[in-house]
Amino acid sequence: QVQLVESGGGLVKPGGSLRLSCAASGFTFSDYYMSWIRQAPGKGLEWVSYISSSGSTIYYADSVKGRFTISRDNAKNSLYLQMNSLRAEDTAVYYCARGRRDSSGYYFLDYWGQGTLVTVSS
Amino acid sequence: SYVLTQPPSVSVAPGQTARITCGGNNIGSKSVHWYQQKPGQAPVLVVYDDSDRPSGIPERFSGSNSGNTATLTISRVEAGDEADYYCQVWDSSSNVFGTGTKVTVL
Repeated sequence: QVQLVESGGGLVKPGGSLRLSCAASGFTFSDYYMSWIRQAPGKGLEWVSYISSSGSTIYYADSVKGRFTISRDNAKNSLYLQMNSLRAEDTAVYYCARGRRDSSGYYFLDYWGQGTLVTVSS
Repeated sequence: SYVLTQPPSVSVAPGQTARITCGGNNIGSKSVHWYQQKPGQAPVLVVYDDSDRPSGIPERFSGSNSGNTATLTISRVEAGDEADYYCQVWDSSSNVFGTGTKVTVL
């Protein structure tokens, strides 16, 4: 069965850095687009970034562009999110999710991990 | 940027029908997907491509999409359906989520 397990969250000071990981299993990781989505406490879902199956196409939300870097290692079935220059407003649960093509040729998220909490506070 | 608007809350009695709307400019031209999120849990896909259900999702969950409004319908509502629901579309190279609707089962 498809499993996505995030790790790497924790408490970090403003301006600090953190690297999140997502370990995938139960499917051919290299065949799928992957995404990071976050949810601030008591708030809705916010898409953060996605990366194509080969890693050749990457997009970011404007709120994280220039500070966050998404990457993947298909040999290790792993997805990463390097987060630099962290701000209080980056505090959230970060989910990794698997993308699947919809009927329009775009993507939705068919499996999600349980999330990892990132807290940015002094 | 593309905006998806959902009512903050919907209340429904057990056994009745809940309808959750998702408004967006010409959303009928896009594929709409719906996620259910229970407290403390990750979101779960309940409807994709406007009206298709993933395996394991009850037939009570259905969707439609036309014009400027997409709708998730939950028939014969059960206590276990109490959750937050989010619609989602793809726009400008990003996944766009709706504002979310809290469904309360009375």
